[in-house]
Amino acid sequence: GAVVSQHPSWVICKSGTSVKIECRSLDFQATTMFWYRQFPKQSLMLMATSNEGSKATYEQGVEKDKFLINHASLTLSTLTVTSAHPEDSSFYICSARALAGGYNEQFFGPGTRLTVL
Amino acid sequence: AQRVTQPEKLLSVFKGAPVELKCNYSYSGSPELFWYVQYSRQRLQLLLRHISRESIKGFTADLNKGETSFHLKKPFAQEEDSAMYYCALSVGGNKLVFGAGTILRVKS
Repeated sequence: GAVVSQHPSWVICKSGTSVKIECRSLDFQATTMFWYRQFPKQSLMLMATSNEGSKATYEQGVEKDKFLINHASLTLSTLTVTSAHPEDSSFYICSARALAGGYNEQFFGPGTRLTVL
Repeated sequence: AQRVTQPEKLLSVFKGAPVELKCNYSYSGSPELFWYVQYSRQRLQLLLRHISRESIKGFTADLNKGETSFHLKKPFAQEEDSAMYYCALSVGGNKLVFGAGTILRVKS
């Protein structure tokens, strides 16, 4: 159980275009999902916390107008990178929180590789 | 500010040797710590959490509040343990702060 999927797994786009990444909890409902960014050979950095039915909470330094997050249902959160530039190229990972074995646990998606040309 | 430090980028050991992956944290609240593992071409997955005090795949980790550490240990490394290991701190019972990660290579 507790599987999280992401789509697409990779995407290449031109500078100035917008890209949408989907994060789905396949076999459970998640009121809270998280979006991370991972640069090559670096750790995961939390970008924002996505709460179903309400606005996302962004971490300091993350532009909310550039990285639009929508969590319209209990199984889907989307991250839209608007007016993408080469410096936005990165590995984006989502996670969904669920109760497992009596504890809250984050289950991670496989990640989406974004390359902006 | 909350911070997780993993001082080693790479740890290379021989099969059967003991393993210790270091993790230190900085947090003013009551810490809740985790170890996550990422095997080659797989997603990140939880290995263990300090609250449950369990042993998973032979790995254990003890929270030492005096030394602000949560080192991951295994007495006898196996080749299938080769992976990237991340130490993480839960902040406010919600979001996770990750360390930089340590690559463990177990040589035969």
